[in-house]
Amino acid sequence: DTAVSQTPKYLVTQMGNDKSIKCEQNLGHDTMYWYKQDSKKFLKIMFSYNNKELIINETVPNRFSPKSPDKAHLNLHINSLELGDSAVYFCASSGGRSDYGYTFGSGTRLTVV
Amino acid sequence: DQQVKQNSPSLSVQEGRISILNCDYTNSMFDYFLWYKKYPAEGPTFLISISSIKDKNEDGRFTVFLNKSAKHLSLHIVPSQPGDSAVYFCAASPYGNKLVFGAGTILRVKS
Repeated sequence: DTAVSQTPKYLVTQMGNDKSIKCEQNLGHDTMYWYKQDSKKFLKIMFSYNNKELIINETVPNRFSPKSPDKAHLNLHINSLELGDSAVYFCASSGGRSDYGYTFGSGTRLTVV
Repeated sequence: DQQVKQNSPSLSVQEGRISILNCDYTNSMFDYFLWYKKYPAEGPTFLISISSIKDKNEDGRFTVFLNKSAKHLSLHIVPSQPGDSAVYFCAASPYGNKLVFGAGTILRVKS
């Protein structure tokens, strides 16, 4: 029974398209995150939601829009995809305290061609 | 601006020996430090953590050491096993806020 699940696992799309990545957690956590792992392998936070409320919004192009219909879901919508958006995107959730650690999904590898 | 740095991209260790992975940080506001382990095509999984009020935390074969004055932490794995081969990420958090990750170190344990 997967704790944090992301779909799709792989996504290949052309420049200029709009795409969404879905994330769901069944851990009862209040906080969810989107991280991006770029070509240099750094994991960088993009967004964080706590109980459907946006609490962290890093310097991310406004083509990226997170949506949280409820605290168990945090989707990522990307408009007008660019080559530089190619990366692995990880969803994560936490109980809100750092010492609990984050539970990550298995990632979505996005390739823009 | 890399606030969390893992300067060794990779490390190779013989099975049964000790693996030592290092991490340096620059932000004095960090008060919690964590290590994550990642296998290919999977998300990172939480391994062990340490609060800034401690200098050591142990969990089985894994021990994390924190040197606040040097802004340095390390993960020791003893004894190393082939199944420990993975990418290890160091992460830090300022007062329960977002986690900041290093670039990771690839550990290869040879049998």
